Amino acid sequence: DVKVTQSSRYLVKRTGEKVFLECVQDMDHENMFWYRQDPGLGLRLIYFSYDVKMKEKGDIPEGYSVSREKKERFSLILESASTNQTSMYLCASSQDRGINQPQHFGDGTRLSIL
Amino acid sequence: KQEVTQIPAALSVPEGENLVLNCSFTDSAIYNLQWFRQDPGKGLTSLLLIQSSQREQTSGRLNASLDKSSGRSTLYIAASQPGDSATYLCAPFPYNNNDMRFGAGTRLTVKP
Repeated sequence: DVKVTQSSRYLVKRTGEKVFLECVQDMDHENMFWYRQDPGLGLRLIYFSYDVKMKEKGDIPEGYSVSREKKERFSLILESASTNQTSMYLCASSQDRGINQPQHFGDGTRLSIL
Repeated sequence: KQEVTQIPAALSVPEGENLVLNCSFTDSAIYNLQWFRQDPGKGLTSLLLIQSSQREQTSGRLNASLDKSSGRSTLYIAASQPGDSATYLCAPFPYNNNDMRFGAGTRLTVKP
């Protein structure tokens, strides 16, 4: 079974801090994704990556950056955290650029910015 | 931009009932459509993926259909059980990766 692991289930940070959210998958998947999920807004794609060192912006990249130095790891970075970035963050991975391959999700990180 | 709508937003049924969840999308330029389940406070679990060339996909008590030309998909759950209680989301996968969209979900409650 595919395992997507997010480093923290719950995280509390302060405004202005630099925040790192880590995601690791164990199935040698090419694609990795970061979403945020908010009540009433659903899931929205922040960034995705289809290869090491490659990244593409999703729907809402502002205020975020990503890093993919190794195939199995995809990091989401909040450069200077703000309260409107309080959310549930979900990481996903899939094989072969996602074409007809399902996305597999981690359990999420609930991030609170105070 | 792709718009994904799921109806109803919430559904409550007695155990044993068959039910249908609906998903509609505005842009039919998709490779596939995936149905997910999400339990409270958890990530998403993939249930079924229907390729754009397929009409149906089945897994156990679940059956998903896809009518790409009309922008519709349905998830049929047979003989519902309390353990099926969760939020169900659909996500059409577009030709343009940058335009991934999820529906807001249908929150299903199956009463014993």
